[in-house]
Amino acid sequence: AQTVTQSQPEMSVQEAETVTLSCTYDTSENNYYLFWYKQPPSRQMILVIRQEAYKQQNATENRFSVNFQKAAKSFSLKISDSQLGDTAMYFCASTPLNFGNEKLTFGTGTRLTIIP
Amino acid sequence: GAVVSQHPSWVICKSGTSVKIECRSLDFQATTMFWYRQFPKQSLMLMATSNEGSKATYEQGVEKDKFLINHASLTLSTLTVTSAHPEDSSFYICSPRRADTQYFGPGTRLTVL
Repeated sequence: AQTVTQSQPEMSVQEAETVTLSCTYDTSENNYYLFWYKQPPSRQMILVIRQEAYKQQNATENRFSVNFQKAAKSFSLKISDSQLGDTAMYFCASTPLNFGNEKLTFGTGTRLTIIP
Repeated sequence: GAVVSQHPSWVICKSGTSVKIECRSLDFQATTMFWYRQFPKQSLMLMATSNEGSKATYEQGVEKDKFLINHASLTLSTLTVTSAHPEDSSFYICSPRRADTQYFGPGTRLTVL
């Protein structure tokens, strides 16, 4: 079984600043994926970034990067040079590496507001 | 990129009626389909998982006779909310999976009066 915890229900930051969203997880799997999804006001789920747990290098996608600490079971998302379009709900999620029918386990989300 | 459509995007119905939500993967074949519901300001809650041609597997607490899932093909899945009641009002999201990537439909907002 997997659990994902996001302890920050809401965050706000000034435009152009850097913000870090926290996520911790627990799993009995040896190999798994970790994700950050963005859900803007349109409610369309958008994949922000993905990390395979067996990879030591932290994933990056342009302004988005993660700090993956496997021993601590921590997976935080850093957004650099934040933009107004980054305003959204952000969900951390995990799933076993052997995808199959295994479900994604989502955290409760962090509502991020970028202030102009 | 992969495109997923859901229809309708918004539906209002009277209590006691049934509503069918259609989910299509337009440019890929999905090996597995997940259906979620999301209440305002909450996370996605998995309702059921299905594979093409097989019966869906429902999560604990989800009534399989109320939420009928048909996974007719690798590109089409439907969710029918039968005898809908106001407490079924929610945002429903389909999520087809292909290999190691999961995609999401744009969602359907259901309001039951």
